[in-house]
Amino acid sequence: NAGVTQTPKFQVLKTGQSMTLQCAQDMNHEYMSWYRQDPGMGLRLIHYSVGAGITDQGEVPNGYNVSRSTTEDFPLRLLSAAPSQTSVYFCASKLAHYNEQFFGPGTRLTVL
Amino acid sequence: AQTVTQSQPEMSVQEAETVTLSCTYDTSESDYYLFWYKQPPSRQMILVIRQEAYKQQNATENRFSVNFQKAAKSFSLKISDSQLGDAAMYFCAPPRGANSKLTFGKGITLSVRP
Repeated sequence: NAGVTQTPKFQVLKTGQSMTLQCAQDMNHEYMSWYRQDPGMGLRLIHYSVGAGITDQGEVPNGYNVSRSTTEDFPLRLLSAAPSQTSVYFCASKLAHYNEQFFGPGTRLTVL
Repeated sequence: AQTVTQSQPEMSVQEAETVTLSCTYDTSESDYYLFWYKQPPSRQMILVIRQEAYKQQNATENRFSVNFQKAAKSFSLKISDSQLGDAAMYFCAPPRGANSKLTFGKGITLSVRP
């Protein structure tokens, strides 16, 4: 099992550019979620999904889109990057609502 | 809504000593699980310990144990015989139940003095 994988590990964007952060898991987990981590702010939930075809907003969804067409993949799209989106992004998955989450290694994104 | 408070953003402990990281929470769920995660400098999030709310016995994993007080909505993590490798940020996760969102607290940065 590869667990939760994220690509890329690092990315630098210019303001206004778009990109997709990839997340995949091979554990057949139903729940997947995206977080951003900023100094002093902890982990903040961006979007989450409880199964293929089902997504919902978290605490800080503005500027981000998600879709879940398969159980395995949960990409995060930045349509028009802004410097405020400079952060470390984590994807996580879990089997069911009582289970622990498994995290990917994170993506460090810098928007200039 | 489920919320969690980690009131001490930074803590320090002497190597081989014991330290307790505090966490209080609020929830409307009656059946839920609680988790502590560790994030070392490598940035990887690692599960430390898990507690089922219906269990009266506090969870223990080697040098890590919890003090779970359900009525007081308190879920503290005790690290015994602290080691240099315990230096990390620790996150208490709010109760995970059937209707709960997957939010986290702001974390506690633990440093270990040699």
